[in-house]
Amino acid sequence: DIVMTQTPLSSPVTLGQPASISCRSSQSLVHGDGNTYLSWLQQRPGQPPRLLIYKISNRFSGVPDRFSGSGAGTDFTLKISRVAAEDVGVYYCMQATQFPFTFGPGTKVDIK
Amino acid sequence: QVQLVESGGGLVKPGGSLRLSCAASGFTFSDFYMSWIRQAPGKGLEWVSYISSSGGAIYYVDSVKGRFTFSRDNAKNSLYLQMNSLRAEDTAVYYCARDLDSGRIDSWGQGTLVTVSS
Repeated sequence: DIVMTQTPLSSPVTLGQPASISCRSSQSLVHGDGNTYLSWLQQRPGQPPRLLIYKISNRFSGVPDRFSGSGAGTDFTLKISRVAAEDVGVYYCMQATQFPFTFGPGTKVDIK
Repeated sequence: QVQLVESGGGLVKPGGSLRLSCAASGFTFSDFYMSWIRQAPGKGLEWVSYISSSGGAIYYVDSVKGRFTFSRDNAKNSLYLQMNSLRAEDTAVYYCARDLDSGRIDSWGQGTLVTVSS
């Protein structure tokens, strides 16, 4: 199975300041079809997860443009350009290149 | 709008069985792959199982293979997860989720809690 790791696991941030989360996979996430199926999800307290980014850098419908994704191969990053109060929650990277799909352990983002 | 509503969770003893259901509405259910994903209390997410739009292809995480069975009824817009030989480590909120394509999971239910305890 592909193991996903994330750093940091906790990220206290100041409102209006940037935040960055790294995600690393134990093997390349490049699929045989040439795509890289790496997604980022946000889970606010008490809510189910919500898709933010898919295929490394594509923002899902309705996601604010302060969220961006980048990376390639085994190393990926989610950036929030200016953290807003509603961004508090846990962020997960997820790979869907190979079964079983696997998630990172999550990064908790809260406000300082 | 897309709606996924899970049911069937509850308290069960180790070794027991439970059947979860997920009722889908607001979209053409038979067009989409679907997943069950679980989250143990206070823990992260774990993908459990995945079913193709026709139900002809099903995948499971190793920890549930041979114990869980994922099925769907496209005529009833419903998913089912039959869980047998339950263990304490199966305790979690179970979410059903829609896959737009290749793991692009765009919609989630609110989840149903399964507690395995004596």
